[in-house]
Amino acid sequence: QVQLVESGGGVVQPGRSLRLSCAASGFTFSSYGIHWVRQAPGKGLEWVAVTSYDGGNKYYADSVKGRFTISRDNSKNTLYLQMNSLRIEDTAVYYCAKDRNSGWYGGFDSWGQGTLVTVSS
Amino acid sequence: QSVLTQPPSASGTPGQRVTISCSGSSSNIGSNYLYWYQQLPGTAPKLLIYTNNQRPSGVPDRFSGSKSGTSASLAISGLRSEDEADYYCAAWDDSLSAWFFGGGTKLTVL
Repeated sequence: QVQLVESGGGVVQPGRSLRLSCAASGFTFSSYGIHWVRQAPGKGLEWVAVTSYDGGNKYYADSVKGRFTISRDNSKNTLYLQMNSLRIEDTAVYYCAKDRNSGWYGGFDSWGQGTLVTVSS
Repeated sequence: QSVLTQPPSASGTPGQRVTISCSGSSSNIGSNYLYWYQQLPGTAPKLLIYTNNQRPSGVPDRFSGSKSGTSASLAISGLRSEDEADYYCAAWDDSLSAWFFGGGTKLTVL
C-alpha cells in the first residue's frame, strides 16, 4: 500500500532554513506528481507546492514563492522541500501528498502523517 | 477572503442527512474538478470524493458529491457519530495556477 513518511521537522529561528523529506513506497514514485500541504495549529489546510512526476513542472503558493523549493529524487523515491527565510507564520504540520496523476491537477489521494515545523525565536 | 468558501460548521443527529457547500468561481470550481477531504481529529486528511462525485474504494456510499457551475456540495446521509470531523473542499485554480482548499467545515454529530 502507498506509504509516505515525512521527516526533517523541528524548531528553527526566523530567517533560518530547514529541509523536509518525504520517503515514498508502495507505488511507482516516478510516475506521479507529489504535493506539500501544510496546516497551522488549529487552522485549515493550505496547499504549498507541487512537482510533476519528472520534476519538469513545479508550482507554488504565493505565500512561499521565492522562499521554498520543491524537488524530487526519483532514484531514491524521495520528495524534498527546501524552506529558506522562514517566518513565524510558516509554523505548521507539513504533509506530503501523492497526486492521482502524473502532473499537478489530479488531487491528493494519499497523505503522509506529517512533520511539525515550528518557527520561533 | 478564501478562494473557496465553506460554512465553518454544520451539525446533525444520527441518521440525518447533512450537506456541506463549497463556493468558488469560474477559474476554479467552474472549470476544474472538485475534491473533498475528511480529517478526523488528530489525523491526516483522507480523500473522500474525487472528480466531483467519485468515491475511492472503501468510502461508504453514504457520502456523495455534486457540482453545478461554480458551486459544489458534499452530502452525508445516515449520519453516524464517526462522521464527526473537519471536511475540506479543494480545487485547482487556472488563473492563479495554484491549488486552494476551502476554509473547512467542522461537522458535529449531536
